[in-house]
Amino acid sequence: DGGITQSPKYLFRKEGQNVTLSCEQNLNHDAMYWYRQDPGQGLRLIYYSQIVNDFQKGDIAEGYSVSREKKESFPLTVTSAQKNPTAFYLCASSPSDRAYGYTFGSGTRLTVV
Amino acid sequence: GEDVEQSLFLSVREGDSSVINCTYTDSSSTYLYWYKQEPGAGLQLLTYIFSNMDMKQDQRLTVLLNKKDKHLSLRIADTQTGDSAIYFCAETSNQGGKLIFGQGTELSVKP
Repeated sequence: DGGITQSPKYLFRKEGQNVTLSCEQNLNHDAMYWYRQDPGQGLRLIYYSQIVNDFQKGDIAEGYSVSREKKESFPLTVTSAQKNPTAFYLCASSPSDRAYGYTFGSGTRLTVV
Repeated sequence: GEDVEQSLFLSVREGDSSVINCTYTDSSSTYLYWYKQEPGAGLQLLTYIFSNMDMKQDQRLTVLLNKKDKHLSLRIADTQTGDSAIYFCAETSNQGGKLIFGQGTELSVKP
């Protein structure tokens, strides 16, 4: 079955450490996105990529980095520069035809202690 | 700038209809979407409507679009406890394929 996989589901890290969240899709979608979700704040766009080897900052890119070396993969690194990294992170992908909207992964909950 | 607004909470009794409302600002949006998010999970696409339509029905779901007022609504008939979730409205932005999401409406269904 085609889908989008985020791993791990739960992640704990010590303050000051970088951490990388995985996102893989086998839907042959061109575009991929990373969102952060905090309680009561909806979804905030971190980074997005519409094609391999290219990506753009979203609304809250500071303290995060991404790469898009393969169409299927769009990993997100939360760096030590991110002031408040504890959150629920969602990855999504979409085809060129906008009618289908986004397909979301099941999310990674990151807790920094 | 582009913005999508939703009320944050809605509480209904099981068996009643639920109506979740959304307003948007970009009149050039081609598609508008409704997503459902259950606790601890990702978002699931429920339905979408093309901007040249006024209404779309899919089983218990009815979407109404008022382009003049830039208002979108999702009606859930015969609401069940399993419908308890957060519902997000989204519009296509004028920047490539990006979607602009509302804050989400938390629907609570009481038995």
